[in-house]
Amino acid sequence: DQQVKQNSPSLSVQEGRISILNCDYTNSMFDYFLWYKKYPAEGPTFLISISSIKDKNEDGRFTVFLNKSAKHLSLHIVPSQPGDSAVYFCAASARGKTALIFGKGTTLSVSS
Amino acid sequence: DGGITQSPKYLFRKEGQNVTLSCEQNLNHDAMYWYRQDPGQGLRLIYYSQIVNDFQKGDIAEGYSVSREKKESFPLTVTSAQKNPTAFYLCARGPPGGDSRTDTQYFGPGTRLTVL
Repeated sequence: DQQVKQNSPSLSVQEGRISILNCDYTNSMFDYFLWYKKYPAEGPTFLISISSIKDKNEDGRFTVFLNKSAKHLSLHIVPSQPGDSAVYFCAASARGKTALIFGKGTTLSVSS
Repeated sequence: DGGITQSPKYLFRKEGQNVTLSCEQNLNHDAMYWYRQDPGQGLRLIYYSQIVNDFQKGDIAEGYSVSREKKESFPLTVTSAQKNPTAFYLCARGPPGGDSRTDTQYFGPGTRLTVL
C-alpha cells in the first residue's frame, strides 16, 4: 500500500518554462514533507521541505505547495534549466516516526 | 556528499556470498539509515539506528544485518539469505542534534551492488 504516490513517472519541459511535479499522500499523520533530486548512480540531494503548519515554502527557483485537505503537494521549478533534469522524489514523515516514506519518483527532462 | 562516505562505489559478488557495505559519517550525528533503490522504485528503508549499539528494522530488513559499534560507522551486510540483492544501496544521516522538528535526511553517494 503506497502511502506516498507520484503518479507521473516522467515530465518533459522546455528550458525557461515552469516544471510542476506532483505528489499525493494517504496517511493523515504525515506532517513533514521533503523533495529530493537524484542523478543516476548518485545519492539523492535534499532540495526543499515543508511542515504541515505551512502551505508554501520557497527557496530560489524552487517552491513547494502543500494542500492538506487534498493530501497533495507539488514542487514548482521556475525557470526550469537543463541541469534540473533528474529524478525527483517526494518523501513524508509522521511525528514520532523516524523513517521517511518515499514516492517512486518522477523523471524530469528539461530541453534547451 | 552530505557528510556521508560510502565505499566502494561499485561492488560485485558471487551468489551465496555475504558482502558488507561501508557507511561512515564525520558530522557526529546520531541517526543513520540504510535504504535500497531498485529501478522505477522509490527508496525503501532497510535498517536505521538512532544511537550507538541500537538499531531497528525497516520495511525490508530480511536478508540484511547491521551493526552500530561506533557513532561514525553503520555498516550493512547483505547476506546470502537476501533473495534479490542486486540494487543501489544508499546510506543517510539524520539531522544535527539540537535541531527542531526536522526530519531531513542527507544521503551518501551510494553503492551499486551486483550479484553474479
